[in-house]
Amino acid sequence: AQSVTQPDIHITVSEGASLELRCNYSYGATPYLFWYVQSPGQGLQLLLKYFSGDTLVQGIKGFEAEFKRSQSSFNLRKPSVHWSDAAEYFCAAGNSGNTPLVFGKGTRLSVIA
Amino acid sequence: DTAVSQTPKYLVTQMGNDKSIKCEQNLGHDTMYWYKQDSKKFLKIMFSYNNKELIINETVPNRFSPKSPDKAHLNLHINSLELGDSAVYFCASSQTGTGEFFGPGTRLTVL
Repeated sequence: AQSVTQPDIHITVSEGASLELRCNYSYGATPYLFWYVQSPGQGLQLLLKYFSGDTLVQGIKGFEAEFKRSQSSFNLRKPSVHWSDAAEYFCAAGNSGNTPLVFGKGTRLSVIA
Repeated sequence: DTAVSQTPKYLVTQMGNDKSIKCEQNLGHDTMYWYKQDSKKFLKIMFSYNNKELIINETVPNRFSPKSPDKAHLNLHINSLELGDSAVYFCASSQTGTGEFFGPGTRLTVL
């Protein structure tokens, strides 16, 4: 069955520190991969996506993600976290642009001073 | 200017009532979705429509009935509401190559 795993339920980082959120997928073929962010009480905002090509993708708000086929991973990174980055982060995968996404269970990011 | 909009944002109702949630997208996308986010933040697809036609209907009680009057709108009607229906419902839309764009969500509370 297709699945997306985010191993970390909750991560706390200090403001200004680097961040890496993990995501692993299990799919028959290389899926389309996405990272979304959800601030409290808000909808989901697309941070970045990977369809093909360059395995390092840049997104909004200074985020980037790297696709590693050998590890079935698509980890999200940010070199310096800001307090406003505190939110829930979801990794998702799909077969094509028009099929529903399968979401991971999310990783809650807390940022401390 | 909003890409995907939903109304209402909050919905509080009694068990047994019937309610509807409306969704509109102005992105020109062909495909629209309804997702349910439970209290643990888990997101699960409920329905998918492509050009007004139902494509995917996951294991959802038949009390839930989506309707797409045109490809810019996808409404969700829920009959005989139960306590377990309390959740946040998200509408989304997509086109090939775009990823999914989500609405702000509707928080449904069934008392």
